[in-house]
Amino acid sequence: AQSVTQLDSQVPVFEEAPVELRCNYSSSVSVYLFWYVQYPNQGLQLLLKYLSGSTLVKGINGFEAEFNKSQTSFHLRKPSVHISDTAEYFCAVSPRGYTGGFKTIFGAGTRLFVKA
Amino acid sequence: GAGVSQSPSNKVTEKGKDVELRCDPISGHTALYWYRQSLGQGLEFLIYFQGNSAPDKSGLPSDRFSAERTGGSVSTLTIQRTQQEDSAVYLCASSLGTGQKPYNEQFFGPGTRLTVL
Repeated sequence: AQSVTQLDSQVPVFEEAPVELRCNYSSSVSVYLFWYVQYPNQGLQLLLKYLSGSTLVKGINGFEAEFNKSQTSFHLRKPSVHISDTAEYFCAVSPRGYTGGFKTIFGAGTRLFVKA
Repeated sequence: GAGVSQSPSNKVTEKGKDVELRCDPISGHTALYWYRQSLGQGLEFLIYFQGNSAPDKSGLPSDRFSAERTGGSVSTLTIQRTQQEDSAVYLCASSLGTGQKPYNEQFFGPGTRLTVL
């Protein structure tokens, strides 16, 4: 079984400051890792994903994340945030070789609030 | 092209009533997923369809919940005898068929907000 823990439920930050949203996972098998963003009153949108290869992955809107296998973490970072980055961010994992289909387990979400 | 659509966007119902939630996936997407998003609890996987069959129903919380998919397209999630704890946002996602490559991105609809009074 897999589980995802997002360590901060809310992260307030000033505009143009850097931000890190933390994510840790637990799994007995290898997993794919994802970050999704949900803007107010909208559906989830894929921000970035780690499937294999380089552990530093870049996504849309200037976000990046680093997969750390030894620490089972996949923290999301942005060097300078904008007001428009205010949204809820979800970390998610999916087991490799899941024979029943494509099952994604989501964390509880982190609400990023960017202040002027 | 059109994304995943869901209807209604909002549904208010009385405890004990049945509700149907609809999902229209992206054309050509053979895989379809239902999730429930409760306040402060992230997304909870409910059920997954590949074509019209549901290989994984493990997330359905009780036998009051059921889902079907017809013609490999539209899906309906039905909740019978609704309870207040069923109040949540129900999200649908679709993707290209699984098994064809390691990963197929899921595209999410805007959700249906269900309120049970």
